[in-house]
Amino acid sequence: AQSVAQPEDQVNVAEGNPLTVKCTYSVSGNPYLFWYVQYPNRGLQFLLKYITGDNLVKGSYGFEAEFNKSQTSFHLKKPSALVSDSALYFCAVNEGSYIPTFGRGTSLIVHP
Amino acid sequence: GAGVSQTPSNKVTEKGKYVELRCDPISGHTALYWYRQSLGQGPEFLIYFQGTGAADDSGLPNDRFFAVRPEGSVSTLKIQRTERGDSAVYLCASSPSGSGITGELFFGEGSRLTVL
Repeated sequence: AQSVAQPEDQVNVAEGNPLTVKCTYSVSGNPYLFWYVQYPNRGLQFLLKYITGDNLVKGSYGFEAEFNKSQTSFHLKKPSALVSDSALYFCAVNEGSYIPTFGRGTSLIVHP
Repeated sequence: GAGVSQTPSNKVTEKGKYVELRCDPISGHTALYWYRQSLGQGPEFLIYFQGTGAADDSGLPNDRFFAVRPEGSVSTLKIQRTERGDSAVYLCASSPSGSGITGELFFGEGSRLTVL
């Protein structure tokens, strides 16, 4: 069975500082990994995905994520946080099915 | 272009009542998903349609929940004899034909259901 864990309920960072939102996954084969963002009272929006190839993937709004197979992780990163990045972030994994499994989410708060 | 549209955006009902939630996916998207999101939790899978048929309904919690997609476009999630524990945001998502298991989902803004 596929699963994903987001160990932090909340991440606080100062504007301009780098940010990391953590995600680890569990699958029996090759994972397809996704990050989504949810702003207040809005639906989830796709940020980026890892399918195969380069371990560092770049996505929308300056976000990137690094796939690490040995650590079964797919952490979301951004070099310089903006206040407008404050939102809920969800990691998702898919392994050989059409149904992604989502983590419980991490609230990112960027302080001015 | 139009995104995934869900109606109503908010629904308040009384315990025991019947509720219908509607999802209008992006035109041409053949795959349609329903997820449920409770407060402080991530989206929890309910049912997946490919075209008109339910390809996987393993996430429906019990037989009070049912969903249809008769013409392969609009879908309706139906909840009978609602219970307070059904209160959540119900999310609909769609994805294009051919995107397969590597494609991202396009989500609507959700229908917030409150059962009193």
